[in-house]
Amino acid sequence: KQEVTQIPAALSVPEGENLVLNCSFTDSAIYNLQWFRQDPGKGLTSLLLIQSSQREQTSGRLNASLDKSSGRSTLYIAASQPGDSATYLCAARDYGQNFVFGPGTRLSVLP
Amino acid sequence: NAGVTQTPKFRILKIGQSMTLQCTQDMNHNYMYWYRQDPGMGLKLIYYSVGAGITDKGEVPNGYNVSRSTTEDFPLRLELAAPSQTSVYFCASSDTGVDGYTFGSGTRLTVV
Repeated sequence: KQEVTQIPAALSVPEGENLVLNCSFTDSAIYNLQWFRQDPGKGLTSLLLIQSSQREQTSGRLNASLDKSSGRSTLYIAASQPGDSATYLCAARDYGQNFVFGPGTRLSVLP
Repeated sequence: NAGVTQTPKFRILKIGQSMTLQCTQDMNHNYMYWYRQDPGMGLKLIYYSVGAGITDKGEVPNGYNVSRSTTEDFPLRLELAAPSQTSVYFCASSDTGVDGYTFGSGTRLTVV
């Protein structure tokens, strides 16, 4: 059974810092991995989707990498801003029909 | 473009009552999903559907039922609501089995 973990559970950084969020999964047989952002009381917004054949995806200040062999993905946020404050969730899609979600990393970027 | 629409946004139920959470998508996606999110936990899959007329159980299906009579709609029914069903419920859809998800904004349900 696929299990997804995220470290750290919470992170607080000053504005302008570059930061890395970590996601680990136990079964390397995945179709793809998706990173989401969730604001308090809101739904999930897709940030990046990495297919199993890809090593990384970039969107603006965000870069996500995927290493299937080690069961890890990282989300890199450059030049963090207070507006980046949110919970970040990763989800690994296995060979079933659904994504398995991690518990999330709660990020606070201080002005 | 509405995407995935969930109604209602909030609901309070008494123990033993029943209700239906509505989910509609306008992207002609084949795959639809229902998740629940409890505080501090990841999302757990309740039910999913790979197309009209086809549904299957996820990780936590007990106490719920679904139907998929059309491509657009995937309602989730709670029978005999229990306090353990207090949660935030999210509906999602994807075009194929390997695409990313599009989520609705969620329904916050409290059972008292």
